[in-house]
Amino acid sequence: DQQVKQNSPSLSVQEGRISILNCDYTNSMFDYFLWYKKYPAEGPTFLISISSIKDKNEDGRFTVFLNKSAKHLSLHIVPSQPGDSAVYFCAASDNAGNMLTFGGGTRLMVKP
Amino acid sequence: EPEVTQTPSHQVTQMGQEVILRCVPISNHLYFYWYRQILGQKVEFLVSFYNNEISEKSEIFDDQFSVERPDGSNFTLKIRSTKLEDSAMYFCASSGTSGGANEQFFGPGTRLTVL
Repeated sequence: DQQVKQNSPSLSVQEGRISILNCDYTNSMFDYFLWYKKYPAEGPTFLISISSIKDKNEDGRFTVFLNKSAKHLSLHIVPSQPGDSAVYFCAASDNAGNMLTFGGGTRLMVKP
Repeated sequence: EPEVTQTPSHQVTQMGQEVILRCVPISNHLYFYWYRQILGQKVEFLVSFYNNEISEKSEIFDDQFSVERPDGSNFTLKIRSTKLEDSAMYFCASSGTSGGANEQFFGPGTRLTVL
């Protein structure tokens, strides 16, 4: 079941530069998309979300872009900081919102 | 800041034994969830729970699994007869609303090891 897919298992970025994490989905019933960050030995922490009626949502250093026709979303982190180093999960839900479907995650490493 | 807590952090059990994983959701939340992550795999939805009923469950959540809210604060996941393939991190989550971009708050997880 690959309804939500993150094709890059890892990404390395220099501190201060932009990090771009990508996510693709196949299920047209998904209405909402969320990004979570996960540190080792912790649960996922919510970062930012976007509704399918929007194409952009911004919160501080984090911006999520949604291209509904391409079934693609991305998370931009600007500027990247070493503390951003973690695994980032893309997740999606339908309008009922009873469950989240997660991608496989992308490990981001921000080098000082 | 309110948070979801889970106990124990690590549970080791023998195959065939029953285990109960415990969670205390955020106090004013009404919607509760269990997810699991097998090592090296995706986080997978197990079940959602609202108003003392299961709202939705995945095909993973078979008759060996059950959930309960025994009192006003705890939310438990029981696995009746554990199998080796039940070894995973189990995450509890809660949210204040349902539908749409309901931000689900996750606990730190319980690592279940079935021997």
